[in-house]
Amino acid sequence: EAGVAQSPRYKIIEKRQSVAFWCNPISGHATLYWYQQILGQGPKLLIQFQNNGVVDDSQLPKDRFSAERLKGVDSTLKIQPAKLEDSAVYLCASSLEQAKSEKLFFGSGTQLSVL
Amino acid sequence: AQKVTQAQTEISVVEKEDVTLDCVYETRDTTYYLFWYKQPPSGELVFLIRRNSFDEQNEISGRYSWNFQKSTSSFNFTITASQVVDSAVYFCALRGGAGNMLTFGGGTRLMVKP
Repeated sequence: EAGVAQSPRYKIIEKRQSVAFWCNPISGHATLYWYQQILGQGPKLLIQFQNNGVVDDSQLPKDRFSAERLKGVDSTLKIQPAKLEDSAVYLCASSLEQAKSEKLFFGSGTQLSVL
Repeated sequence: AQKVTQAQTEISVVEKEDVTLDCVYETRDTTYYLFWYKQPPSGELVFLIRRNSFDEQNEISGRYSWNFQKSTSSFNFTITASQVVDSAVYFCALRGGAGNMLTFGGGTRLMVKP
């Protein structure tokens, strides 16, 4: 069974540039998550989708971050313009449903360096 | 609001030693789930265990065991006879609240030396 796919694996940009990350969840998984993991910290939820609807985006810096999951399958996370403090690993995860018991399956992440 | 605290940021042991990773959580939910994930150097978070709030039985899986104590809001993880391959960052997480969000602790980096 294919896992959660993310690309690119690494990205280096200068501050004020734009960047986009792509995620393809496990087939059949209705819930998709984007997490930000700053070096030395635990992952922090940015946004959670159920199919193509947003369940929670309370921690998404909406002035610069946006995410979409138009057809309820793959998703894109965008940062525009990037700041130095956005340097982190961006993890995508998916689960069958959004019930409390559901475990999340994670991709390998995109490591972003903002110079 | 829910919160997970892993007070040990880094632990170093010698191979074959036993090691316990602590996890303390806060939540207002009566029904919730606790998880442990392992993050090896490759970066991908790997699921280890899930426990619901009504099941306080300890669990053992090979060299791994988990101790859930609701009275102290703790869900500790013990590795018996540690091995070099156990070296990784381990995260405790709590799932509950509005939207059933999964909230992670800060992680404990475990280094097992030969």
